[in-house]
Amino acid sequence: GQNIDQPTEMTATEGAIVQINCTYQTSGFNGLFWYQQHAGEAPTFLSYNVLDGLEEKGRFSSFLSRSKGYSYLLLKELQMKDSASYLCAVSDSNYQLIWGAGTKLIIKP
Amino acid sequence: GAVVSQHPSRVICKSGTSVKIECRSLDFQATTMFWYRQFPKQSLMLMATSNEGSKATYEQGVEKDKFLINHASLTLSTLTVTSAHPEDSSFYICSARDMANSYNEQFFGPGTRLTVL
Repeated sequence: GQNIDQPTEMTATEGAIVQINCTYQTSGFNGLFWYQQHAGEAPTFLSYNVLDGLEEKGRFSSFLSRSKGYSYLLLKELQMKDSASYLCAVSDSNYQLIWGAGTKLIIKP
Repeated sequence: GAVVSQHPSRVICKSGTSVKIECRSLDFQATTMFWYRQFPKQSLMLMATSNEGSKATYEQGVEKDKFLINHASLTLSTLTVTSAHPEDSSFYICSARDMANSYNEQFFGPGTRLTVL
C-alpha cells in the first residue's frame, strides 16, 4: 500500500532551526510537495522536489532522497507565525497526491 | 500565482437539506480539480477527482449519489452535499491543477466550513 509518515507534533523555539522529516512508500513517484496549513485555513504551497538534493527558498529548504524514500523540510530563524501544520505529499504514478497526516509545529518564545 | 476561490466560505444548514459549494480557478485553466474533506486535527482526505467534461472519480467509501460533483468548464467545479446530516459537518477544500504548470502542483481554495444542525 501507499504510505507517508511524518511526526505528529514538534516543538521548537523562536529563532531556532527545526527539521521535519517525511518518509514515503508509494506506487511510482512524480515529486514530493510540502505544504503549510494554519488552523482553519487551506494548505499553501511551500516546496517541490523531484530530483535528489536540497531546494532552498528563503528561510525554508526541502531535501529529497529518492533512493531512501525520504525528505525533510528545514525551517530556519523560526518565527511565531511559523506555528502551523506541515503536510508532506507525494505525487504517485497517476499524478495523484498521497498525503501525510501532517506535523503540527509549535513555536515557543 | 494561481488563485482558486471557493464559495461559500462558511455555511450552516439544517439536516436533510442540500448544499452546493463552488470552486473556481481564477487565472488559469484547470482540467482537473480535486475535492478534499478535513475533519478537525486530521489530514486531508481526498473525496473525488473531477475532470472537465467527464464524470468524477470517487475515492473508496465516498458516496457518489450523496456528494454530487460537476465540472462543467475549465474554471468551475461544484460539489453538492445532498441530504446533509450532522456527520457531514467538515471543512471541504477544493484544489485545481494548472495545465501549464510543470510542477503538477495543486492550488488550493480557501475551504468551506460546513455545519449541519
